[in-house]
Amino acid sequence: AQTVTQSQPEMSVQEAETVTLSCTYDTSESDYYLFWYKQPPSRQMILVIRQEAYKQQNATENRFSVNFQKAAKSFSLKISDSQLGDAAMYFCAYRSAWSGGGADGLTFGKGTHLIIQP
Amino acid sequence: DGGITQSPKYLFRKEGQNVTLSCEQNLNHDAMYWYRQDPGQGLRLIYYSQIVNDFQKGDIAEGYSVSREKKESFPLTVTSAQKNPTAFYLCASSRSGTGVGNTIYFGEGSWLTVV
Repeated sequence: AQTVTQSQPEMSVQEAETVTLSCTYDTSESDYYLFWYKQPPSRQMILVIRQEAYKQQNATENRFSVNFQKAAKSFSLKISDSQLGDAAMYFCAYRSAWSGGGADGLTFGKGTHLIIQP
Repeated sequence: DGGITQSPKYLFRKEGQNVTLSCEQNLNHDAMYWYRQDPGQGLRLIYYSQIVNDFQKGDIAEGYSVSREKKESFPLTVTSAQKNPTAFYLCASSRSGTGVGNTIYFGEGSWLTVV
């Protein structure tokens, strides 16, 4: 079974600064997908960014980018020019690329609470 | 607008009662999921369905039941056998198959409280 670990329960950053959220995972699979979801106080899960394991290039979405290190099984999220609206819980998640094993869905870490200080 | 609709937003259950949470999607997705979220924890998978009339247990299926009679609908019943049902429940859906890394999208969630 896969596991996802987020070692930072809480992070704080000044508005307009850059912050990096850490995520490591454990898997024996070679093909998979990694995601970062944002959960604001409304509690809805919002997709931030997605990375395919077979792609070496790190994914980027505007101010959000990842540092994907497949050998190290690390998948960190960098938020540049932090804004007050970025304040939320951030969850790292793993999804197998193979559905033949019978299992499906996402495996989540426990989340990092990001605080933006004005 | 296309999306995933969960109802009710808030639900109170008396001990010994079964309650059903509704989840409807109009995204034409084949796969649907139910997750449970407790404070200080990430989401945990309860049940999932990859096709109509078929569903599979997730990591914490005990005390829950589901049905998938229509592609658009995946209701979750929290039975009296679930000893600690107070939690936030999220429904999700995606296109079928994981081979293309189909993103899983979420509804707005339902709060269930035992009184």
